[in-house]
Amino acid sequence: DGGITQSPKYLFRKEGQNVTLSCEQNLNHDAMYWYRQDPGQGLRLIYYSQIVNDFQKGDIAEGYSVSREKKESFPLTVTSAQKTPTAFYLCASSTLRGGDSNQPQHFGDGTRLSIL
Amino acid sequence: QQQVKQSPQSLIVQKGGISIINCAYENTAFDYFPWYQQFPGKGPALLIAIRPDVSEKKEGRFTISFNKSAKQFSLHIMDSQPGDSATYFCAARRGISSGSARQLTFGSGTQLTVLP
Repeated sequence: DGGITQSPKYLFRKEGQNVTLSCEQNLNHDAMYWYRQDPGQGLRLIYYSQIVNDFQKGDIAEGYSVSREKKESFPLTVTSAQKTPTAFYLCASSTLRGGDSNQPQHFGDGTRLSIL
Repeated sequence: QQQVKQSPQSLIVQKGGISIINCAYENTAFDYFPWYQQFPGKGPALLIAIRPDVSEKKEGRFTISFNKSAKQFSLHIMDSQPGDSATYFCAARRGISSGSARQLTFGSGTQLTVLP
């Protein structure tokens, strides 16, 4: 079955430590996205990428970095500059083909990251 | 700046009742309005979506009503069931003509509880 795989499901990091969250998709989608979901809030966009080796900042990019070396992979690094204690990180993908059509975003099941 | 406002924050409905969740937007460049359903520990899944050239879309027990002039849209869940208990997010996406990437802007979410 095609889908988006995020790992790990739970992750703890110490203050001052950088950690990397994995996101892999086998949907052959062009675009990939990272969102952060805080308790009681909607999803806020961190970074997105529409093509390999290119990515753009979203609304809350400070303290994060990404890479897009392969179409199917879009890892997110949470740096020590990111102070949010606990958050749920969601990866999504969508196709950009078909012109102006209703292309939904498909989501993974998320990684919950906590600071020790 | 929150561009999509969602209400209520939480909703409790009896089994068999109608659940109604409302969203309002400001940016007239939005051209696609999906609703997502999220269960605890899972990523959001697309439930139903609408484009602004129609006023209503129905899929099974789920209906989107869209009022372009008021810049509002709502999700109606008929004959609500305990299995519908989840968090629901509305979202909006800018059109290609806006010249920007077509990422989604999400509402803050509604936690729906359907009592048996």
